[in-house]
Amino acid sequence: EDQVTQSPEALRLQEGESSSLNCSYTVSGLRGLFWYRQDPGKGPEFLFTLYSAGEEKEKERLKATLTKKESFLHITAPKPEDSATYLCAVRSGNTPLVFGKGTRLSVIA
Amino acid sequence: NAGVMQNPRHLVRRRGQEARLRCSPMKGHSHVYWYRQLPEEGLKFMVYLQKENIIDESGMPKERFSAEFPKEGPSILRIQQVVRGDSAAYFCASSPQGSEAFFGQGTRLTVV
Repeated sequence: EDQVTQSPEALRLQEGESSSLNCSYTVSGLRGLFWYRQDPGKGPEFLFTLYSAGEEKEKERLKATLTKKESFLHITAPKPEDSATYLCAVRSGNTPLVFGKGTRLSVIA
Repeated sequence: NAGVMQNPRHLVRRRGQEARLRCSPMKGHSHVYWYRQLPEEGLKFMVYLQKENIIDESGMPKERFSAEFPKEGPSILRIQQVVRGDSAAYFCASSPQGSEAFFGQGTRLTVV
């Protein structure tokens, strides 16, 4: 059974204080690892897909990396508008996405 | 290109009533997924559909819950005889070929 564990559960940063969020996964044949952002009361917003170890994707202050066992979402010089819950999900085969519980990020001005 | 559309955004039902949640996927997307989210919990998979077919319903309770994605029209998640434990946010997502999924804004169901 596919499993995703995200850490930490919550993270509080000062504006400009860079950090990383972790997503550890167990799957039988990874077909994609996905990062989403979710704001309160909203649906998850797609950020990145990573397919193979060593792959990296960037978008503004966010950079996602992938190894054979985990993925990191690096946030460089975060701003208050980066505050949200960040969700990680995996897919193996033709299965639906399996999500972790997310990391709740708060960036304080 | 409109995103995934869900309606209603908020739904209040009394115990024992039926709830119907609608989802129109993005244009060109033939794969639809329904997820449920409770406060402080992750997104839990319920059912995966393609046009006129249920592909995987392993996450959906056998009793009271059903889903369809007809040839024409939106996907429908139906919950019969709702109970307080059904109160949650229900999200629909669509994808073109089983790759990344794009989510709607959800329907928040409250059972009173």
